[in-house]
Amino acid sequence: DTGVSQDPRHKITKRGQNVTFRCDPISEHNRLYWYRQTLGQGPEFLTYFQNEAQLEKSRLLSDRFSAERPKGSFSTLEIQRTEQGDSAMYLCASSAVVGRTDTQYFGPGTRLTVL
Amino acid sequence: AQSVAQPEDQVNVAEGNPLTVKCTYSVSGNPYLFWYVQYPNRGLQFLLKYITGDNLVKGSYGFEAEFNKSQTSFHLKKPSALVSDSALYFCAVRDEFFGNEKLTFGTGTRLTIIP
Repeated sequence: DTGVSQDPRHKITKRGQNVTFRCDPISEHNRLYWYRQTLGQGPEFLTYFQNEAQLEKSRLLSDRFSAERPKGSFSTLEIQRTEQGDSAMYLCASSAVVGRTDTQYFGPGTRLTVL
Repeated sequence: AQSVAQPEDQVNVAEGNPLTVKCTYSVSGNPYLFWYVQYPNRGLQFLLKYITGDNLVKGSYGFEAEFNKSQTSFHLKKPSALVSDSALYFCAVRDEFFGNEKLTFGTGTRLTIIP
């Protein structure tokens, strides 16, 4: 069990550029989540997949954001036309239901800085 | 709707003393409650969770938490603090209703253990 991995760990981009982040969940975890964390705040939910189906999206996820999980394994989060307000830590988590609920295990995050 | 409050931004405790990090929650149904810890430049690590049953939950690294339904609280505790416990702690809640899979986090409490 190697844990959740995210790539890249850091990304610096200029305003208006597109960026894409990747998340590899714990193997055999069928649920995958994306959260965003800004300085001094707790993580905020963005979106959630069960297998390849995107089941829930937060209102925080504007039209510039898109997430995919094409084969029910890894996931990508793309931000188009980045803005300075997008600067944050993007966290991925995965889980599998055991009993009544699941426990989400988080990756190390991708820190995005938009200049 | 679901929400979490961590009333203390900062908690300082002398090494060897007991520690408490406070958390209160609000949900429509029954809560699933979680504690996570975050070290600098790293993702969140799962400590423990309450789903149902015994109100005292034991977790990793000697931490435990007490669920109090009447006070809607889920305070994190440890009998004897270590310097290595210094980190940022997040409480999170999820309503039990099926289809609601997202976690709502508090703003975090920075715990500093003083040698």
